[in-house]
Amino acid sequence: GNSVTQMEGPVTLSEEAFLTINCTYTATGYPSLFWYVQYPGEGLQLLLKATKADDKGSNKGFEATYRKETTSFHLEKGSVQVSDSAVYFCALRKNRDDKIIFGKGTRLHILP
Amino acid sequence: GAGVSQSPRYKVAKRGQDVALRCDPISGHVSLFWYQQALGQGPEFLTYFQNEAQLDKSGLPSDRFFAERPEGSVSTLKIQRTQQEDSAVYLCASSFPLRSGANVLTFGAGSRLTVL
Repeated sequence: GNSVTQMEGPVTLSEEAFLTINCTYTATGYPSLFWYVQYPGEGLQLLLKATKADDKGSNKGFEATYRKETTSFHLEKGSVQVSDSAVYFCALRKNRDDKIIFGKGTRLHILP
Repeated sequence: GAGVSQSPRYKVAKRGQDVALRCDPISGHVSLFWYQQALGQGPEFLTYFQNEAQLDKSGLPSDRFFAERPEGSVSTLKIQRTQQEDSAVYLCASSFPLRSGANVLTFGAGSRLTVL
């Protein structure tokens, strides 16, 4: 079946460090891929998305590229801030009317 | 409304009690999803509506869980005879189906259920 695997946390970095959170997926066909973020005390928010191979999603300095050959959608940011501390979820959706399948989440702590 | 509204935000129930959780989606959103998020885990799909039709209920963990959306707008998730393992945050999300591309789900803040 369809699934998402992401690196376990917590991930702890110093401010201005480079961030990578790995995500790989298993799915037939060409799913859409997402990163969602959950800030402390808040609901899930869409961070970025990509709908086809080689697409790059970007938002708030975060980027992720849809790699069909490696079935990956790794999240990156060049210089993290304390305000980026949150839980990040990688997710996929087979088609526009289907459910979103989430990974288990990666908690990120950024130290000042 | 401006966002997806869920109520109650917090619910404490004694084991064996029935609970009802409400979701008010964004006005005009056709699709509505319910998810269950246990502590420290990712959201797990429960069920999906398109308008009033429940198209997928494969994620409901047992027959104690029941969801409805009778008029294609507000939805209620009901859990009968609650058990401690039902303790979780229940998330509702809605979207408007686009002809192409990835529909974006907008999530509510969730209803945190604690079963004692």
